[in-house]
Amino acid sequence: EVQLLESGGGLVQPGGSLRLSCAASEFTFSSYAMNWVRQAPGKGLEWVSVISGSGGRTFYADSVKGRFTISRDNFKTTLYLQMNSLRVEDTAVYYCAKDLASMASGGPLTFDHWGPGTLVTVSS
Amino acid sequence: DIVMTQSPDSLAVSLGERATINCKSSQSVLYTSNNKNYLAWFQQKPGQPPKLLISWASTRDSGVPDRFSGSGSGTDFTLTISSLQAEDVAVYYCQQYYSTPLTFGGGTKVEIK
Repeated sequence: EVQLLESGGGLVQPGGSLRLSCAASEFTFSSYAMNWVRQAPGKGLEWVSVISGSGGRTFYADSVKGRFTISRDNFKTTLYLQMNSLRVEDTAVYYCAKDLASMASGGPLTFDHWGPGTLVTVSS
Repeated sequence: DIVMTQSPDSLAVSLGERATINCKSSQSVLYTSNNKNYLAWFQQKPGQPPKLLISWASTRDSGVPDRFSGSGSGTDFTLTISSLQAEDVAVYYCQQYYSTPLTFGGGTKVEIK
């Protein structure tokens, strides 16, 4: 069964940085695009970013573009999200989510497996 | 950006009765080249991550009970729970994957009447 486990969340001051990780197992990691999706406390879901299976293509939500960087290590089967210049409105549970396909030719699809999430709190 | 609008925001249904959730996209999510609607439905229970119920507007994910069904095309979609069970209490989201940014509806909370 697909396993995804996020880590790296915590409390950070506005303007600070944080790096999230998502350890993946039980599937061929390099064959699938991977996403980050977040959910502010008591709110709905917001897609953040996606990276193709090879790592060569990335997309971002406008709300994080220029501040967040998605990457992956296919040897370590781990997904990352480097978050810089954090704002109070970035406070959320961050989920990593496996895509239906690799995104080798075409855009991201939807998410068939999700991790339990990691909470990021941006506050002074 | 494609805006996804769900209705109602919440609904209360008696056990065994039908629940219907609507989702409307601001532009068509039907790819004419392959005749597929790039629309998914998720279920989220408190304290849990979302769970994929339906992709391609009407294809149930593995293990999803057949009381859940998706329908619609173009800009108007529906998730139907044919006979509501206690374990179906949750928030339901639609999501389009026709184009980036991927976007979700605001969610519909389903409760027992």
